[in-house]
Amino acid sequence: QSALTQPASVSGSPGQSITISCTGTSNDVGSYNLVSWYQQHPGKAPKLMIYEGAKRPSGVSNRFSGSKSGNTASLTISGLQTEDEADYYCCSYAGSTYVFGTGTKVTVL
Amino acid sequence: EVQLVESGGGLVQPGGSLRLSCAASGFTFGNYYMHWARQAPGKGLVWVSHINGDGSTTDYADSVKGRFTISRDNAKNTLFLQVNSLRAEDTAVYYCGRGELPAAIDAWGQGTLVTVSS
Repeated sequence: QSALTQPASVSGSPGQSITISCTGTSNDVGSYNLVSWYQQHPGKAPKLMIYEGAKRPSGVSNRFSGSKSGNTASLTISGLQTEDEADYYCCSYAGSTYVFGTGTKVTVL
Repeated sequence: EVQLVESGGGLVQPGGSLRLSCAASGFTFGNYYMHWARQAPGKGLVWVSHINGDGSTTDYADSVKGRFTISRDNAKNTLFLQVNSLRAEDTAVYYCGRGELPAAIDAWGQGTLVTVSS
């Protein structure tokens, strides 16, 4: 149950697009189309942004999109806004358990 | 409105125990998987455990297996996590969450802090 690998930080200017990668193994990301993504602002609880790899819950902006290729899932934020500055975590089902990613700090320049 | 409110955290000595609770409201509690996850100070999220709607199925992260026990009381809309044999590395904010969407936690509580220290 090793954590999924994410870049420690990603940055972009307002209006730009950024992509956060999430690399796992054939035991988790590669075997299931069940990756979710969470946004967490400092001192706050996480918020679900993407589930089943690419689906958005009601109320989440369509600027957030997800995809997967092999053992790597990705979260893309388009039209970057200042309120997008936060930590982002991926999470994959791993066959009865779950594993989170290491987390990525997104900075809006 | 879905609400999850954790309680029961605090300062405990190594080897000690606590019982964390998560009071749920705003939805039919017994119809949902429920999760516990934790976050050490300044660190990332870690999944801890989950339980199905009727409490018959539970799973745990390897790091807590044999020390932590998840349970629920559907009559009282409450989720529990019994944490035993605590270690310094168990120090974290513990969050409960609802598993409504496939393999995702769609609602989270505000967390309860567990500090393990002598």
